Amino acid sequence: GNSVTQMEGPVTLSEEAFLTINCTYTATGYPSLFWYVQYPGEGLQLLLKATKADDKGSNKGFEATYRKETTSFHLEKGSVQVSDSAVYFCALSIQGGSEKLVFGKGTKLTVNP
Amino acid sequence: DAGVIQSPRHEVTEMGQEVTLRCKPISGHDYLFWYRQTMMRGLELLIYFNNNVPIDDSGMPEDRFSAKMPNASFSTLKIQPSEPRDSAVYFCAAPRTVGGELFFGEGSRLTVL
Repeated sequence: GNSVTQMEGPVTLSEEAFLTINCTYTATGYPSLFWYVQYPGEGLQLLLKATKADDKGSNKGFEATYRKETTSFHLEKGSVQVSDSAVYFCALSIQGGSEKLVFGKGTKLTVNP
Repeated sequence: DAGVIQSPRHEVTEMGQEVTLRCKPISGHDYLFWYRQTMMRGLELLIYFNNNVPIDDSGMPEDRFSAKMPNASFSTLKIQPSEPRDSAVYFCAAPRTVGGELFFGEGSRLTVL
């Protein structure tokens, strides 16, 4: 079946630290991959996406590269800010669009000043 | 376009009562998704619609759960009778464009006592 596994949190970092949140997937077919972010008390928002192998998604200083050989889509940011504190979800979609997203369990990030 | 609007934002009810959650999706697009979020299970897809027709309801946990989409601008998720284990945040989501980013509502936090 289709599934997403991401590193368990919580992750606590100091401001300006480097962030990596690991995500690996299992899929039949060729998925599109996504990172969503959920700020406290809000719904999920798309952070970035990649639709084919070797694509790099980027937004707000975050990046993730679609690695087909390792079935991974790790999220990285070079220098985190307090405002990045949120829960981050890795997700895949087999149809290539937003239909029927399968989510990982989420990783809670706390950034301290 | 106000995005995806959910109501109520918070609901506290007693076991055995009927609960109805409402969603007004982004107008003009074909898909609508209901997700449930809990600490233990993360984000689970309950059901999704295409052109107001339920396509996959395999995620609906039991017959106590039902969902309808009488028209393109309104959907309901009903739980009858409710149980304490139904306590969760329920999200409605819809794409803004075909195959595009999935927009989430702010969620309905349900507490069943």
